Amino acid sequence: GAVVSQHPSRVICKSGTSVKIECRSLDFQATTMFWYRQFPKKSLMLMATSNEGSKATYEQGVEKDKFLINHASLTLSTLTVTSAHPEDSSFYICSARVLTGKNTEAFFGQGTRLTVV
Amino acid sequence: QQQVKQSPQSLIVQKGGISIINCAYENTAFDYFPWYQQFPGKGPALLIAIRPDVSEKKEGRFTISFNKSAKQFSLHIMDSQPGDSATYFCAAKQAGNNRKLIWGLGTSLAVNP
Repeated sequence: GAVVSQHPSRVICKSGTSVKIECRSLDFQATTMFWYRQFPKKSLMLMATSNEGSKATYEQGVEKDKFLINHASLTLSTLTVTSAHPEDSSFYICSARVLTGKNTEAFFGQGTRLTVV
Repeated sequence: QQQVKQSPQSLIVQKGGISIINCAYENTAFDYFPWYQQFPGKGPALLIAIRPDVSEKKEGRFTISFNKSAKQFSLHIMDSQPGDSATYFCAAKQAGNNRKLIWGLGTSLAVNP
């Protein structure tokens, strides 16, 4: 199956700093990528939908100035958590959807555990 | 309002038994129903998916049963193994590349050896 690589898998940062998370589709082109946040023992919460070359669409309640998303190419999207605070500590997961075809399968990265201290 | 309702929240099954997880939905525009498996500290992985034009799909030990009239679908794991212990999520999506997945709340499955 298609591979989505997410980096880093774990990151610890100090309050007030910014952290960038990368999501790459390794063997396919993805026009659409999704960023999720997951709290312990909870379901995935969609943060934003990212289309290559255009601005991301954020879900209600998600601060676009805090969670900056860039989708510069068909294989790379980045999420930057700006001015991180301890409450931003969470598990962030990206997902990429294949470009064409009847198959609308979404492939997920391995997730990034962010801890803000 | 939860658009996709998943039950049970947790499930304990003996090795070799059948694990059954159920999901119900309201939106009749949904046309894609995947199940994902997630291990702790990892992203979800697609297990099996079905479209509403079929009532059942089987892949190895995993089967989806789909009841369009009842707006329900379920995951059956036959001959459950300890390695199947994970959290399982059902989801649903409308047609269209930009449509987002609507997720169930998840079921934590523990298979006892």
